[in-house]
Amino acid sequence: NAGVTQTPKFQVLKTGQSMTLQCAQDMNHNSMYWYRQDPGMGLRLIYYSASEGTTDKGEVPNGYNVSRLNKREFSLRLESAAPSQTSVYFCASSEATNIGGYTFGSGTRLTVV
Amino acid sequence: SQQGEEDPQALSIQEGENATMNCSYKTSINNLQWYRQNSGRGLVHLILIRSNEREKHSGRLRVTLDTSKKSSSLLITASRAADTASYFCAGDNQGGKLIFGQGTELSVKP
Repeated sequence: NAGVTQTPKFQVLKTGQSMTLQCAQDMNHNSMYWYRQDPGMGLRLIYYSASEGTTDKGEVPNGYNVSRLNKREFSLRLESAAPSQTSVYFCASSEATNIGGYTFGSGTRLTVV
Repeated sequence: SQQGEEDPQALSIQEGENATMNCSYKTSINNLQWYRQNSGRGLVHLILIRSNEREKHSGRLRVTLDTSKKSSSLLITASRAADTASYFCAGDNQGGKLIFGQGTELSVKP
């Protein structure tokens, strides 16, 4: 049982390049989330998807887009990467919003140079 | 803006001692959750306490919640070196989003 799987684990981008971070869960969870973690800042919510077919902005959505491809997969896209987007990105899922704890992936460490 | 603010930011104790971490939050919540993060890893859910609960136990963990003061505490009893990690509180607000605090770094020395 893999839980939440994120790919890639590490990535270096040049400023202006684009990329998509992939996330998949195998727990039949309805809700999925993308967070970024920066030193001293805790985790900040970028986007979330309460259920298949819906997405909503979190605290820091600027510069990102998301796609809830199906119930299992939730991707995060950086259209034009900036150094300020250097961070560790975590995907998480839960049975539903307001229910239970979240299961997190192991993270993607992204550096934008 | 963070939902939770944790205190202390860093805590160093000896193995066998108890560790207490505090969390204050800003808005009304449905529940408050605590997570652990080992260095370089993802977060692991530890315990959830609902807004109508005052105290909850899970193994060596004890969590309290005071909704009138908008605060929570996590107590780890008889700490072990393996408890060394960062601990985060997170409030599940009525918008269905989990908002995290900045975390407490706990170091347990053998």
